[in-house]
Amino acid sequence: KAGVTQTPRYLIKTRGQQVTLSCSPISGHRSVSWYQQTPGQGLQFLFEYFSETQRNKGNFPGRFSGRQFSNSRSEMNVSTLELGDSALYLCASQRGSPNTGELFFGEGSRLTVL
Amino acid sequence: GQQLNQSPQSMFIQEGEDVSMNCTSSSIFNTWLWYKQEPGEGPVLLIALYKAGELTSNGRLTAQFGITRKDSFLNISASIPSDVGIYFCAGQGLSDTGNQFYFGTGTSLTVIP
Repeated sequence: KAGVTQTPRYLIKTRGQQVTLSCSPISGHRSVSWYQQTPGQGLQFLFEYFSETQRNKGNFPGRFSGRQFSNSRSEMNVSTLELGDSALYLCASQRGSPNTGELFFGEGSRLTVL
Repeated sequence: GQQLNQSPQSMFIQEGEDVSMNCTSSSIFNTWLWYKQEPGEGPVLLIALYKAGELTSNGRLTAQFGITRKDSFLNISASIPSDVGIYFCAGQGLSDTGNQFYFGTGTSLTVIP
């Protein structure tokens, strides 16, 4: 059974650009959440989606947005990139509604902002 | 956002030794999860705990859900070089904004052959 798939794995952008990251959850999983991981801050919650609806949002500026499609795949977008946005962005999926049961992570998308 | 207190921050041990680490929270949690993350990879779920006092094993790994529901422990017995990585906990409980997961800051484990 395929795990959580994230694309792209690595990307380099410059300040001011925007980026879109994609996540395909485990087959049958309907809940997707996104996290930012940096050495100094650890794992920080961005947002979570269930049935195409954003159910919860972390404390990030409006430049960070996301959405979920009817097939449970999710995308997140960061606009007007800043140097501090350089991080590993992790997507995680759960079978049912958000935060019920085990949380499975993808391998992440490593974003470098120059 | 909130982070769990995880200790120790790092450990350097000899192959064959046992390892213990723990996470504590000021809030009561309903679920504790333990993960291992290797460089350049995403976190891999090791053990999930759902009841206070629960003790669960996965090979050489054993984790416990503290009876106060505010802490959890992970033990690794007879460590081997492939145990190297960062281990972190995640706790989930009720909050006004939904049942969000909170994460520990991680324990970096180095195993010396």
